[in-house]
Amino acid sequence: KAGVTQTPRYLIKTRGQQVTLSCSPISGHRSVSWYQQTPGQGLQFLFEYFSETQRNKGNFPGRFSGRQFSNSRSEMNVSTLELGDSALYLCASGQAGTSAYEQYFGPGTRLTVT
Amino acid sequence: KQEVTQIPAALSVPEGENLVLNCSFTDSAIYNLQWFRQDPGKGLTSLLLIQSSQREQTSGRLNASLDKSSGRSTLYIAASQPGDSATYLCAVPNTGNQFYFGTGTSLTVIP
Repeated sequence: KAGVTQTPRYLIKTRGQQVTLSCSPISGHRSVSWYQQTPGQGLQFLFEYFSETQRNKGNFPGRFSGRQFSNSRSEMNVSTLELGDSALYLCASGQAGTSAYEQYFGPGTRLTVT
Repeated sequence: KQEVTQIPAALSVPEGENLVLNCSFTDSAIYNLQWFRQDPGKGLTSLLLIQSSQREQTSGRLNASLDKSSGRSTLYIAASQPGDSATYLCAVPNTGNQFYFGTGTSLTVIP
């Protein structure tokens, strides 16, 4: 079974631009979560989608948004990029909408904002 | 809000040594606890998931224990190898699949 895939793997953007990251969960998984990882803040939760609905949202500004499609693939969008948005963005997929199941992470998208 | 702490922040051991990584959490009402490994610049690899009703979970040279009442979990690595060098993270979820991560333990196994 294929793992979680994320595209692109690397991105370089300029301040003020916007970016869209994509995550394809493991087949059959309906929950997709997004995290931001930086050296200073560690892993921080962005949001979680289940069956195309955002169920949880972390403490990030409205510039960070996401969506999930009917095939469970998810996209994350960051508008008006700032230097501080440079990070590794990770998505995780889970089998169901409860916390009882193991979460599987993708390889991440490394975003650099210049 | 759940807070997860990992001690030590960094650990260096000679190859072959057994070692223990610690994880503590403030809210004992957890569903499960998951241990991950992260290599530099890479994603997270799931190592072990231990359910709240379990005390231990084993996979190969890895053994995770969970003591909900005291808010602690340990990851025991037997006969460490240089390939075990990585950052180890523990995480606990809330009801909505939001994980609270520890800050990690950076492990170096010296050949």
